[in-house]
Amino acid sequence: QKEVEQDPGPLSVPEGAIVSLNCTYSNSAFQYFMWYRQYSRKGPELLMYTYSSGNKEDGRFTAQVDKSSKYISLFIRDSQPSDSATYLCAMCVNQGGKLIFGQGTELSVKP
Amino acid sequence: NAGVTQTPKFRILKIGQSMTLQCTQDMNHNYMYWYRQDPGMGLKLIYYSVGAGITDKGEVPNGYNVSRSTTEDFPLRLELAAPSQTSVYFCASSAHDSIRETQYFGPGTRLLVL
Repeated sequence: QKEVEQDPGPLSVPEGAIVSLNCTYSNSAFQYFMWYRQYSRKGPELLMYTYSSGNKEDGRFTAQVDKSSKYISLFIRDSQPSDSATYLCAMCVNQGGKLIFGQGTELSVKP
Repeated sequence: NAGVTQTPKFRILKIGQSMTLQCTQDMNHNYMYWYRQDPGMGLKLIYYSVGAGITDKGEVPNGYNVSRSTTEDFPLRLELAAPSQTSVYFCASSAHDSIRETQYFGPGTRLLVL
């Protein structure tokens, strides 16, 4: 079993839709959870990070962590064509720990 | 401000050949990382460095070597290339090991081993 599982998609939605991206994990020691966005043929860039359980909001993006279910989510409201990218979840045990990435979900937002 | 630069952008190697992937950052970051990204597999850490002269293995170090003689440069060496090393390689850097400090990624090097 992989430590971090993420549905690779691809996921296609119309512009303006609410997008839900999810990851599950098996290591209960993970405490730091991140979402990276990767445009085609580019390096990943950090979108959001969350410590432990709870929600975090940044503009159109909301990250949720449910440690009891070992499940994290990224919601994108009012999705735009510019949101079309691959979204990778990542997590680690502590701040000095190595990042473990999910497989990435490819998202396409159609105008 | 260039950030993290990687060369070459693309390379084809024959089995058994060797090569060095170059990575340079101009942000004076102490922490540098090498990842490989295979289709549908996410990123896996190969090696990392917490400062000049200090390197450590990541999740998938076999078949690779690194050195860190300066703060700016963190080259990745492939010896005796194998088809299993066909991948996209990303170099990244960060100021600290804190999650709050973003890891800045380079544009990647696409490597094909035939």
